[in-house]
Amino acid sequence: DTGVSQDPRHKITKRGQNVTFRCDPISEHNRLYWYRQTLGQGPEFLTYFQNEAQLEKSRLLSDRFSAERPKGSFSTLEIQRTEQGDSAMYLCASSLALGGEKLFFGSGTQLSVL
Amino acid sequence: GENVEQHPSTLSVQEGDSAVIKCTYSDSASNYFPWYKQELGKRPQLIIDIRSNVGEKKDQRIAVTLNKTAKHFSLHITETQPEDSAVYFCAASKGENYGQNFVFGPGTRLSVLP
Repeated sequence: DTGVSQDPRHKITKRGQNVTFRCDPISEHNRLYWYRQTLGQGPEFLTYFQNEAQLEKSRLLSDRFSAERPKGSFSTLEIQRTEQGDSAMYLCASSLALGGEKLFFGSGTQLSVL
Repeated sequence: GENVEQHPSTLSVQEGDSAVIKCTYSDSASNYFPWYKQELGKRPQLIIDIRSNVGEKKDQRIAVTLNKTAKHFSLHITETQPEDSAVYFCAASKGENYGQNFVFGPGTRLSVLP
């Protein structure tokens, strides 16, 4: 499968625990996005990278959230001290810069915070 | 920042009828408008997109129209089939100079009744 892959598909955790998700974009794509989606809502922008540089972060991204893309390939999203309100689907997407706006989404990581 | 509204939130049509979903955006600097289809439990997939220098675009049974003056764009699906049943999301983006952030609408759940 040469699409965007995310791991894990599902994560159940207790409130207060830290979680980390991974995203592997399409290999030639240099832009990588993280979105959060709750039931009945559209994807909500969290942050995006061009290569290894984090170019934009949403104001929604509290200090408990951090994302990295150290070598400009895969990315990780970490949530520290999880809260019940963090329960959502976390979607990763990738695209080509320079006129390639088309986003290709992964299947997402469904987070449940108990 | 950009705000994208989408109507209706749910839409039921008989197989073979047409379906129209409308989105409005607030930021006149937005210049790229994609539509995504998300089937239950699956990733959002791009179905059609339009740039601000074009008023209409068609791809087989689907079409998108854009009215820049009124800041709204619509998705038209003709001869609907049961496999068109899904949630449809519109989005708006301001492009390269503004960080390429995509803002999504809340989605429309389309049900095509056989």
